[in-house]
Amino acid sequence: DAGVTQSPTHLIKTRGQHVTLRCSPISGHKSVSWYQQVLGQGPQFIFQYYEKEERGRGNFPDRFSARQFPNYSSELNVNALLLGDSALYLCASCRGNQETQYFGPGTRLLVL
Amino acid sequence: GENVEQHPSTLSVQEGDSAVIKCTYSDSASNYFPWYKQELGKGPQLIIDIRSNVGEKKDQRIAVTLNKTAKHFSLHITETQPEDSAVYFCAARGAGNQFYFGTGTSLTVIP
Repeated sequence: DAGVTQSPTHLIKTRGQHVTLRCSPISGHKSVSWYQQVLGQGPQFIFQYYEKEERGRGNFPDRFSARQFPNYSSELNVNALLLGDSALYLCASCRGNQETQYFGPGTRLLVL
Repeated sequence: GENVEQHPSTLSVQEGDSAVIKCTYSDSASNYFPWYKQELGKGPQLIIDIRSNVGEKKDQRIAVTLNKTAKHFSLHITETQPEDSAVYFCAARGAGNQFYFGTGTSLTVIP
C-alpha cells in the first residue's frame, strides 16, 4: 500500500503570500493531522480532521486553516506568511480517531 | 496541556552497544506513547508504541518501557547498528486526541 503522500515537496514563498499544502492519507484511513516542525524541534500539532470534521486544533493563529475532502485527502492553508512560518509541514493519517499515526515525507516551506 | 520532555538531546554509542532515550510527560490522562525515527529529509517513521495498560513492549532489538506512576517512558535499542543513526522522537497522546512530541534525540552509532 502507498504511504501518506504530500505535495509539493518543497516551496518558496515571500512574506504576506498565501500557501496551500496537500495531503493524501493511506488508503482506508479517515483521519488526517497536520504538524509544523521547525528545524531542530519536534513536530507541533496544528489540526486534526476525522470524517471531514475538525476534531482538534493546536495553538496556532487563525492564519492557519485546513479542511478534509470526501475522499479523506486534506489541505492546509496558511495566509499572510511570516518568516517564522518557514518549517517542514507534516501530515499524518490514521484509520480511526484514536489510533496509530503514520507520517508523510513533509513539505518544506521557506518564506523569504 | 501536555508537556513532553526528552533526554538526552544527543547520544553517541559504539556499534553493538545499547542506547537508551528517556521521556517524561505531565498529563496523567495521556494513554498512548509512540516513538518515531526521523532520518534526514524524511518524515518521522513509527518504530514502536505502547499503550497505558502495558508496562513493556519489545520488537526485536527495540523495546519501550512505561512507568505510569512516575510518568516516564523509555526507548531501548540493543546491539546498535550504523543504520540506527537518526533523530528519535517520543510522543504522548493527550486530551483532544492531540499528540505532543519531545524535542528529539540525535543518535549516532559509531562503527
